[in-house]
Amino acid sequence: GQQVMQIPQYQHVQEGEDFTTYCNSSTTLSNIQWYKQRPGGHPVFLIQLVKSGEVKKQKRLTFQFGEAKKNSSLHITATQTTDVGTYFCVQGSNYKLTFGKGTLLTVNP
Amino acid sequence: DGGITQSPKYLFRKEGQNVTLSCEQNLNHDAMYWYRQDPGQGLRLIYYSQIVNDFQKGDIAEGYSVSREKKESFPLTVTSAQKNPTAFYLCASKLRDRNQPQHFGDGTRLSIL
Repeated sequence: GQQVMQIPQYQHVQEGEDFTTYCNSSTTLSNIQWYKQRPGGHPVFLIQLVKSGEVKKQKRLTFQFGEAKKNSSLHITATQTTDVGTYFCVQGSNYKLTFGKGTLLTVNP
Repeated sequence: DGGITQSPKYLFRKEGQNVTLSCEQNLNHDAMYWYRQDPGQGLRLIYYSQIVNDFQKGDIAEGYSVSREKKESFPLTVTSAQKNPTAFYLCASKLRDRNQPQHFGDGTRLSIL
């Protein structure tokens, strides 16, 4: 099945710094979803991108879907300690979703 | 997510023993899923079910079995054939529409005694 590669695997930042994680696919994606998993918790849906070149914002989080629909990114402005967790990009068909390996974000207060 | 209940939260398995993990949802979702997560890793799909009495193997189905006798229930059995069962198991569900997100339970941590 389709695979999504996510980089970086880990990212440590000082509180207040920005953070970006990238998701890449060798094939065109019908859509991309982003989830966040807090340490010890379960993944929670953040957003879905469907259209080529789409950009969506949620407060300090900005999500982009590439023009070719083969890549996506999540950017967090001015990180806070509450942003700690693993961020996953997820792609899939009607029923089957494939998770990237995720980017673990740690924030030093 | 309050609508999906996994039990137990922690489970210990002896060698050669089958164990069953429970997953119940009251969201009236059509599709249900089981994932395995190892430390520092992403989620790998074990089995999924689109409708009652039907299910498909995911990427790592060997050593696992499922049933879908009711829409709201999708139990996972970890059989003795699964040689490395220690992991965090997550159940999820979603509506039929492709653009709907998955909702996850709180997970079950399975360990070998």
